[in-house]
Amino acid sequence: KAGVTQTPRYLIKTRGQQVTLSCSPISGHRSVSWYQQTPGQGLQFLFEYFSETQRNKGNFPGRFSGRQFSNSRSEMNVSTLELGDSALYLCASSPARGGGEQYFGPGTRLTVT
Amino acid sequence: AQTVTQSQPEMSVQEAETVTLSCTYDTSESDYYLFWYKQPPSRQMILVIRQEAYKQQNATENRFSVNFQKAAKSFSLKISDSQLGDAAMYFCAYRSANAGGTSYGKLTFGQGTILTVHP
Repeated sequence: KAGVTQTPRYLIKTRGQQVTLSCSPISGHRSVSWYQQTPGQGLQFLFEYFSETQRNKGNFPGRFSGRQFSNSRSEMNVSTLELGDSALYLCASSPARGGGEQYFGPGTRLTVT
Repeated sequence: AQTVTQSQPEMSVQEAETVTLSCTYDTSESDYYLFWYKQPPSRQMILVIRQEAYKQQNATENRFSVNFQKAAKSFSLKISDSQLGDAAMYFCAYRSANAGGTSYGKLTFGQGTILTVHP
């Protein structure tokens, strides 16, 4: 099976712009979670989607949003970018029935200038 | 809220030797999963090993094994016969098994331990 894919892999944006990141889960996986990784804050949970519904959300401002499509692909959007949004954004998928494990994509490196 | 603590920011080991990475966690739940993930310089997060809290037997995956002490809320990772390819950042992570809970689907990570393997 193909792994989790994320596009784009690298992105440079200007403060105030918005950005959309995409994630395609492993075939058959219906749950997709998003994480932000920074040197200062480590790995922080953004949100989780299952069957097109957001089941859980982390402690991030409303500028961070996401959605999931019927084919389980997911997108996350960040509006009004701030310098502090520069980070590695990781997407992970997990099967509906499993041992709780999540499988990660390679990440999208976002740089805000 | 659950928390995960890795008290060793950095560890080093000689090739072919054994190293143990420490992790403690805090939770009021009785049913949960624990994981060790590895993140090499490529930044790809790789699942190393998983443990279900209701299982008393410690998980083992080839050269990787855990010491799960539920009462002490401790979950250490032992790497035997260390190889150069084991060099990476290692993260301990917690996930609730309560499907109706507010934290289901969320992995809570520790701050990570950088492992260096010397030839």
